Amino acid sequence: EVQVVESGGGLVQPGGSLRLSCAASGFTFSSYRMNWVRQAPGKGLEWLSYISRGGGFIYYADSVKGRFTVSRDNAKNSLYLQMNSLRAEDTAVYYCARGRIDSSSRDDGFDIWGQGTMVTVSS
Amino acid sequence: DIQMTQSPSTLSASVGDRVTITCRASQSINSCLAWYQQKPGKAPKLLIYKASSLESGVPSRFSGSGSGTEFTLTISSLQPDDFATYYCQQYNGYSPPYTFGQGTKLEIK
Repeated sequence: EVQVVESGGGLVQPGGSLRLSCAASGFTFSSYRMNWVRQAPGKGLEWLSYISRGGGFIYYADSVKGRFTVSRDNAKNSLYLQMNSLRAEDTAVYYCARGRIDSSSRDDGFDIWGQGTMVTVSS
Repeated sequence: DIQMTQSPSTLSASVGDRVTITCRASQSINSCLAWYQQKPGKAPKLLIYKASSLESGVPSRFSGSGSGTEFTLTISSLQPDDFATYYCQQYNGYSPPYTFGQGTKLEIK
């Protein structure tokens, strides 16, 4: 079964750090670009970060640039999100999502999503 | 960055109705648009990519259209399972940020 499973969420104090993981299975992880998306309670989806297949191209939303770092380990079929300097407004469910690839190997939406991991930033 | 605006924010409809949700981009995104369905407590599910291509396994009552800056998601005959929140997402230029619309909640009338 093709799936991604997030882990690592929890309760953290403002200013603290947390590292999220996303374990992929059922597909050739190294062939896909990956993304992180979050959803604050009762709010919409917010794209956060993108990493290319080899990790050489990385993008962030302005809201997390300089605080969050995405990485991947293709040998371990895993994606990571290191979150530093956490704020109350970072409280959300964090999703890992696989980038769908079109016939020209370009991005084409997000076709596989994990169940999400909840991050709560509070004192 | 490209902004995506969905309308309406909430839509009330009945089983069997035909409904349309609109998504507008702040600049042309060609056909680089996806639609997702999300149910409470669940991850989003890809319905449509490239504005009008139906993802495998998605019922044919879902369809997408548009290009440039204006797009629509149509459900031809609402089923009980379709009541959910729908999001559009642009991926123009194949280079992030890949912005989502604010969502449209489809409610039972």
